[in-house]
Amino acid sequence: GQNIDQPTEMTATEGAIVQINCTYQTSGFNGLFWYQQHAGEAPTFLSYNVLDGLEEKGRFSSFLSRSKGYSYLLLKELQMKDSASYLCAVREDSNYQLIWGAGTKLIIKP
Amino acid sequence: GAVVSQHPSWVICKSGTSVKIECRSLDFQATTMFWYRQFPKQSLMLMATSNEGSKATYEQGVEKDKFLINHASLTLSTLTVTSAHPEDSSFYICSAPRGSLGEKLFFGSGTQLSVL
Repeated sequence: GQNIDQPTEMTATEGAIVQINCTYQTSGFNGLFWYQQHAGEAPTFLSYNVLDGLEEKGRFSSFLSRSKGYSYLLLKELQMKDSASYLCAVREDSNYQLIWGAGTKLIIKP
Repeated sequence: GAVVSQHPSWVICKSGTSVKIECRSLDFQATTMFWYRQFPKQSLMLMATSNEGSKATYEQGVEKDKFLINHASLTLSTLTVTSAHPEDSSFYICSAPRGSLGEKLFFGSGTQLSVL
């Protein structure tokens, strides 16, 4: 079956670094996505990984290991505005549908 | 700026009425759009895939006669919640894939529906 696991909630300190993990079990794999969603708003695209390795984009980086069914989102130099839910999603095949994780609520403390 | 526009942002209606939500891709053509529902503190739940020029594909458990989807053009998909009831109150979000491989999924701003 399909399954995507990520922690329900994490807490970190402003200025620090936090890593949000995502593990997946799907029948196929054609890309992994990370989205940020602030309360009451629609998700916004953060990153896309289809090959193994680390993709860096400013303060945010995303890593993928296809053999392990594992990804993480790394947030550096945390700011209060980074308090949000972070959603991991996997695309199984060539269509555009995504399988969504439940999201990780990240709380940033001063 | 926004590449997917969704209207209205919020709507309050009486039980038994119908509500139409529009989703537009602003500077690209979207042959496929997705409609999601999200309850408080829960993740996105895919309701249906809207296909331009053909019937929408509904996820298991979603009533196609209650949630009417029309994708009449390459830039517009609409979701109509028919005979709305309080249990239909939710945050509805549309999205459209973009990019050569559809690797980026852009979301509308969402519609908060409250049925009294």
